[in-house]
Amino acid sequence: QSVLTQPPSASGTPGQRVTISCSGSSSNIGINPVNWFRQFPGTAPKLLIHGNNQRPSGVPDRFSGSKSGTSASLAISGLQSEDEADYYCAAWDDRFWVFGGGTKLTVL
Amino acid sequence: QVQLQQWGAGLLKPSETLSLTCAVYGGSYSAYYWSWVRQAPGKGLEWIGEINLSGGTNYFPSLKSRVTISLDTSKNQCSLRLSSVTAADTAVYYCTRSKFGLSSEKFEYWSQGTLVTVSS
Repeated sequence: QSVLTQPPSASGTPGQRVTISCSGSSSNIGINPVNWFRQFPGTAPKLLIHGNNQRPSGVPDRFSGSKSGTSASLAISGLQSEDEADYYCAAWDDRFWVFGGGTKLTVL
Repeated sequence: QVQLQQWGAGLLKPSETLSLTCAVYGGSYSAYYWSWVRQAPGKGLEWIGEINLSGGTNYFPSLKSRVTISLDTSKNQCSLRLSSVTAADTAVYYCTRSKFGLSSEKFEYWSQGTLVTVSS
């Protein structure tokens, strides 16, 4: 069982806006920035969002992150078929990193 | 272009020691720190531990007694050792690089991963 809680699945149609939630506690998300990753099957994860809402160079502005209290969200606007993947959140917790269990996003 | 490349044994017997090494090519070596992350088949990501340029380490509590992460700055390499492995340690193991700073890019670069299978 993961320290950070994500819904196991999410879905949307092309062009739609979808959000994926990540729930933590006062020892992780409540006091530290959240990071988001995307992973395609058989490949390494890729950083999408760091510092709650900052995009690394090359990540489209369709991806955005937010945080409130002990929860965070990843929003994907203008959903595309190639966005179908697993998404993970992560945050520092005292002296170690914790990840969410992952959300499988399906583009219908 | 930064690339992380790792190598090590992919098949172990129970009680043996997992040993993986990761090398970085391109970019500045000293301005970042290194982490190891693993992913069991069909499961999510699990952080194993990290090491900074001074050799300071942090490990995930449940693995702390079995894990050692080390640096060879002369070779730009980071190594992971996990002792007394069991079937539960079967996973794809990744080395990653992160920038310093609370809001900086974390796990910015990843290696290709190595599937380590523990089986008798």
